[in-house]
Amino acid sequence: DVKVTQSSRYLVKRTGEKVFLECVQDMDHENMFWYRQDPGLGLRLIYFSYDVKMKEKGDIPEGYSVSREKKERFSLILESASTNQTSMYLCASTNPGQGGPEAFFGQGTRLTVV
Amino acid sequence: AQSVTQPDIHITVSEGASLELRCNYSYGATPYLFWYVQSPGQGLQLLLKYFSGDTLVQGIKGFEAEFKRSQSSFNLRKPSVHWSDAAEYFCAVGANTNAGKSTFGDGTTLTVKP
Repeated sequence: DVKVTQSSRYLVKRTGEKVFLECVQDMDHENMFWYRQDPGLGLRLIYFSYDVKMKEKGDIPEGYSVSREKKERFSLILESASTNQTSMYLCASTNPGQGGPEAFFGQGTRLTVV
Repeated sequence: AQSVTQPDIHITVSEGASLELRCNYSYGATPYLFWYVQSPGQGLQLLLKYFSGDTLVQGIKGFEAEFKRSQSSFNLRKPSVHWSDAAEYFCAVGANTNAGKSTFGDGTTLTVKP
């Protein structure tokens, strides 16, 4: 069974802290994504990566960075957490060459910044 | 640019009643179309997808969706709703290009009355 795993279900961090959200997939997928989900706003793309060490900004990259040193792992970094980054964060992966851009999602990380 | 509209933010149906969730999309070519479901506190799970062929597609959990090119719609249906169907539903449009990136609608929350 294919799997995308996010390292934490719940996180509470203080304003100004550096925060790392980790995501690992075991499907050998080329592409990985980070979204944030807020009530009434749907899923908004923060960053995505189409290869190791390659990344592209999504729709709302401000305040975030990413790292992809290995194919299976994609990290989201909040350089200096702020309360407006309190949200649900979802990681996903795709491999369009295998039959279409179906996205496989992790279970989500609920981040609270206090 | 691709976009997805889910006109209904919240729908309430009685258990056993039929369900239709609406989705309209904008895309320059023939898109991949998806419906995902999200249970509270979880990631998104694929219900069904369409790219070509029969315009009525069957998915998991008894759901189906119909692609209507002339209306740019991809509505989700279920003949008889179960209490366990209460969740948030997302329509998405994607392509095999650009890392298989999808654009998601804002979601429809389904409440099921006993």
